[in-house]
Amino acid sequence: EDQVTQSPEALRLQEGESSSLNCSYTVSGLRGLFWYRQDPGKGPEFLFTLYSAGEEKEKERLKATLTKKESFLHITAPKPEDSATYLCAVPPFSGGYNKLIFGAGTRLAVHP
Amino acid sequence: DTGVSQNPRHKITKRGQNVTFRCDPISEHNRLYWYRQTLGQGPEFLTYFQNEAQLEKSRLLSDRFSAERPKGSFSTLEIQRTEQGDSAMYLCASTREGGHEQYFGPGTRLTVT
Repeated sequence: EDQVTQSPEALRLQEGESSSLNCSYTVSGLRGLFWYRQDPGKGPEFLFTLYSAGEEKEKERLKATLTKKESFLHITAPKPEDSATYLCAVPPFSGGYNKLIFGAGTRLAVHP
Repeated sequence: DTGVSQNPRHKITKRGQNVTFRCDPISEHNRLYWYRQTLGQGPEFLTYFQNEAQLEKSRLLSDRFSAERPKGSFSTLEIQRTEQGDSAMYLCASTREGGHEQYFGPGTRLTVT
């Protein structure tokens, strides 16, 4: 069964304390992995798409990387405004990109 | 792009009532998706449209749920005879032709009392 697991469930950081979030997946023939940011009471905001092992994408303090079994979202010198839930998602093995399977997310809190 | 919009943003209803939500996708996005999200979980796929055709429905979409996209533009999601278990955030997303990334709206939070 296609599955996405994110860890940790919650992470508390001090401002400037770098860390990484993990997204592991069990889907045959990965055709892409998506990262989203979700603020409380709002819809997910698209961040990155990664397609192949070794690929990296960056945006401000965020860098996403992909291996054959997992993806990491590295947060460098985070600020309080980076506090949010970070979701990763993959398309299932069968079918196209017509639906995404999401993990439960990592709730990140960055304190000043 | 003005983004995906959803209305209403919040809906409180009594058990047994019918509710309808609306989603307006990003203009020229031909694919539209509905998801449901409960507290502490990621979004779960409900259904998908390409233009006006509903091409896939999840097993989560019971016969009390119906979705339409009559002119290939906005979409509506109706829940009949609501149950307390229907309380959730209902999210809509859209994708352009040939694109892979789904862009989400702000969601409609449904509370069934």
